[in-house]
Amino acid sequence: EVQLVQPGAEVKKPGESLKISCKGSGYRFTKFWVAWVRQMPGKGLEWMGLVFPGDSDSRYSPSFRGQVTISADKSTNTAYLQWRSLRASDTAIYFCATRNRTAGPFEIWGQGTMVTV
Amino acid sequence: DIVMTQSPLSLSVTPGEPASISCRSSRSLLDRDGANIYLDWYLQKPGQPPQLLIYTVSYRASGVPDRFSASGSGTDFTLKISRVEADDVGIYYCMQRLDFPSYTFGQGTKLEIK
Repeated sequence: EVQLVQPGAEVKKPGESLKISCKGSGYRFTKFWVAWVRQMPGKGLEWMGLVFPGDSDSRYSPSFRGQVTISADKSTNTAYLQWRSLRASDTAIYFCATRNRTAGPFEIWGQGTMVTV
Repeated sequence: DIVMTQSPLSLSVTPGEPASISCRSSRSLLDRDGANIYLDWYLQKPGQPPQLLIYTVSYRASGVPDRFSASGSGTDFTLKISRVEADDVGIYYCMQRLDFPSYTFGQGTKLEIK
C-alpha cells in the first residue's frame, strides 16, 4: 500500500525548534517530489514547498522561504519540515503529499501533524 | 504567485440536486507546450486530509464517482456534482500546479447538505 505516515501531534513552546517527519512506503520514494502544506486553524490550504528525495533538492513558495527548512533522507524514505524558532503563529496542521507519476497530481497525502505552539 | 479565486465560498444543497463550483486563476494555466492545463480539485472532508477528485482539469481520480465532473480552459474552471449526496460534504479546493514551486490553492468552498 502506498502511504505517507506522519506523527499525530507535537506541542512546543515559542522559541523552541522542531522537526516533523513524513515517512513514505509502498512506492519509489526517491523518485517523486514530496510537498508540505499548511492548514492554520479553521483556514484553507497553503502550499509551503517541496523536496526531491533523490537528491534533496528543496524548493519553497515565497511566503515560506527562510521561515522553514524542508529536507529528506532517502536512506529512511523520510521527508522533514523544520523550524529553528517556533512562534505561536506556526500553530497549524501540516500535511505532506506526494505523487506516484512524473508530472502527476499530488494524490497521496499523510494524515497531517498538528503542531501547537 | 498565481491567485486562485473560488465562488461561491459556501453552498447548501438538497440531496439529489446538482452543485457547481467555479475557480478562476489570475493567469492562464496552460503550459508552455500548450498541451496541458495543470488545475486539480480536492475535497477535504471534516477531520481528514484533502483527497484528490479531479486532475488536469477534467480527469477523475481513481475511485471518484462519475457524479463528479469538471471542465475549463485558460483561466476559468468548474467542478460539477450532478446529484449531491450526504457524503459529499466538506470543503472543495481548486489548485494550480503550473507555477513550480509556488503552487496555490483557492480559498475553498464549503458544501453543506440542506
